[in-house]
Amino acid sequence: AQSVTQLDSQVPVFEEAPVELRCNYSSSVSVYLFWYVQYPNQGLQLLLKYLSGSTLVKGINGFEAEFNKSQTSFHLRKPSVHISDTAEYFCAVSGSSNYKLTFGKGTLLTVNP
Amino acid sequence: GAGVSQSPSNKVTEKGKDVELRCDPISGHTALYWYRQSLGQGLEFLIYFQGNSAPDKSGLPSDRFSAERTGGSVSTLTIQRTQQEDSAVYLCASSSGQTLYNEQFFGPGTRLTVL
Repeated sequence: AQSVTQLDSQVPVFEEAPVELRCNYSSSVSVYLFWYVQYPNQGLQLLLKYLSGSTLVKGINGFEAEFNKSQTSFHLRKPSVHISDTAEYFCAVSGSSNYKLTFGKGTLLTVNP
Repeated sequence: GAGVSQSPSNKVTEKGKDVELRCDPISGHTALYWYRQSLGQGLEFLIYFQGNSAPDKSGLPSDRFSAERTGGSVSTLTIQRTQQEDSAVYLCASSSGQTLYNEQFFGPGTRLTVL
């Protein structure tokens, strides 16, 4: 079984500041890792995913994440955020089942002017 | 192109009533998933379909919950004798295949409120 911990439920930042949203996972098998974004009243949209290969993964909207196996982390970063990045961000993991996503509880990113 | 659609977008019901939630996946997607998003619990997997078969129903919280898929397309999630703890947003997703190399595309969800 897998589990995901998102350490921060809310992260307020100012526009153009850098941001890091933290995600740690636990799993007894190899994992695939994902970040999804949910804008208000919308469904989930995939930001980026780590399946294999390079541990630094680049996604849409300028986001990137780094897979760190030793620290079992997959933190999401953006060097300069915009007001439009205000949303809830979910980290997710899948293991050997290869289809079921286990989500963290989400981090609400609020970008203030 | 058309994405995953769900209906209704909002549903308010009284405790004890039955409800049906519908999901229309992206055309051609063979895999379909139901998740539940509730306050304090985050997003929980409910059930997975490959075609019309459900090889994994492990996330259904009780026998009041059931789901079916017909024609390898539309899926219906049914909750019988609803309880207040069933209040949540129910999300449907579809993907083109069985592995996660195939991205799961999510619908906007159905917000269920049980009074």
